[in-house]
Amino acid sequence: EPEVTQTPSHQVTQMGQEVILRCVPISNHLYFYWYRQILGQKVEFLVSFYNNEISEKSEIFDDQFSVERPDGSNFTLKIRSTKLEDSAMYFCASSGETGLAGSEQFFGPGTRLTVL
Amino acid sequence: AQSVTQLGSHVSVSEGALVLLRCNYSSSVPPYLFWYVQYPNQGLQLLLKYTSAATLVKGINGFEAEFKKSETSFHLTKPSAHMSDAAEYFCAVGVGGNDKIIFGKGTRLHILP
Repeated sequence: EPEVTQTPSHQVTQMGQEVILRCVPISNHLYFYWYRQILGQKVEFLVSFYNNEISEKSEIFDDQFSVERPDGSNFTLKIRSTKLEDSAMYFCASSGETGLAGSEQFFGPGTRLTVL
Repeated sequence: AQSVTQLGSHVSVSEGALVLLRCNYSSSVPPYLFWYVQYPNQGLQLLLKYTSAATLVKGINGFEAEFKKSETSFHLTKPSAHMSDAAEYFCAVGVGGNDKIIFGKGTRLHILP
């Protein structure tokens, strides 16, 4: 069964460093998302991406964040200069049903980012 | 704006007992509602979704949820709990199309032997 994959499963970095979190969405999907979950808190939407551009972003997704689909398979989230408060589990998701309401988003297993 | 509230961050039930996880939503437009499950060290898996068709929605693993507009609720139930149901459950609301999903804080379900 197709699934969303994410690498690495755990990333440890120093404050101020750049990190790139990688995701491989389901191959025929068209919509891509990043969410994050700070430990003990709820899953929060960061950004959605369609047709090679951001379709929506949250207040969390400031200038330190960027997303890219560098090729036909990968979808990346870059944090330019990490802060302690960026420590969280980051989930990638994809969906493929064009325009259908309530389309299912398929989630990856997550990358746990720890900023020291 | 859309939001969901999950009552109870932890729920414990005995194996074989009824599971009831509560979720109330707030939405200015007809909502699309979801329940996701997260097993330890895994991603989020869709249990079921409501998209304005039948108000009683059946999902995987014997779970179901009923949309009640008058109560703005979408509670998740399962008649008989199994040890393998131990996980974190998230209620979520979507606006439609392929828009973002807004999650509740989650309820951790513990199954007692």
